[in-house]
Amino acid sequence: AQSVSQHNHHVILSEAASLELGCNYSYGGTVNLFWYVQYPGQHLQLLLKYFSGDPLVKGIKGFEAEFIKSKFSFNLRKPSVQWSDTAEYFCAVNRAFSGGYNKLIFGAGTRLAVHP
Amino acid sequence: GAGVSQSPSNKVTEKGKDVELRCDPISGHTALYWYRQSLGQGLEFLIYFQGNSAPDKSGLPSDRFSAERTGGSVSTLTIQRTQQEDSAVYLCASSQGQGRSAEAFFGQGTRLTVV
Repeated sequence: AQSVSQHNHHVILSEAASLELGCNYSYGGTVNLFWYVQYPGQHLQLLLKYFSGDPLVKGIKGFEAEFIKSKFSFNLRKPSVQWSDTAEYFCAVNRAFSGGYNKLIFGAGTRLAVHP
Repeated sequence: GAGVSQSPSNKVTEKGKDVELRCDPISGHTALYWYRQSLGQGLEFLIYFQGNSAPDKSGLPSDRFSAERTGGSVSTLTIQRTQQEDSAVYLCASSQGQGRSAEAFFGQGTRLTVV
């Protein structure tokens, strides 16, 4: 089945630790890739996206992600997390369908808790 | 509008009743999505609109679920004869155009509780 997989459901880190959240997708062909973040009590918002060019994408708040086509992966990284990064992170893939429309498919999400 | 607006923000309903959830997308956004967010389940795709038409309804869980969009703007998700398993947060998102790179903007969601 076509899917987006996030390997870690819960991650607990101390401040200043490094973060890497895994994301793999199973679609062939051209896709666009996104990471969304949902802070406690807030709506989902875009963290970063990749659609072409440099496979290393930089987003807001010091986050970055690397698209590795051969591995169908788009892992999210941050060198040093802060308490304010506590949130749920969703990987998403947008692919085109033959009917001329696109569908944005999400992974199950990863809950990150950062302790001071 | 300034953002995607959903109403109501919370809805408690009795099992068997019908509910309507409303989404006001960002003005000018042609694409509109409905998702369902359940604990530990991520975001489950329900339906996608491009303008007023829905080329993909594949995510609707059963025939109790339906959605429409009028005037290329407001969308309503209707759940008939609600069941307890319908309890979840229902999210609406809109984006500009059909491009794969178009960012989707999300509303705050409607938390539905079926008792």
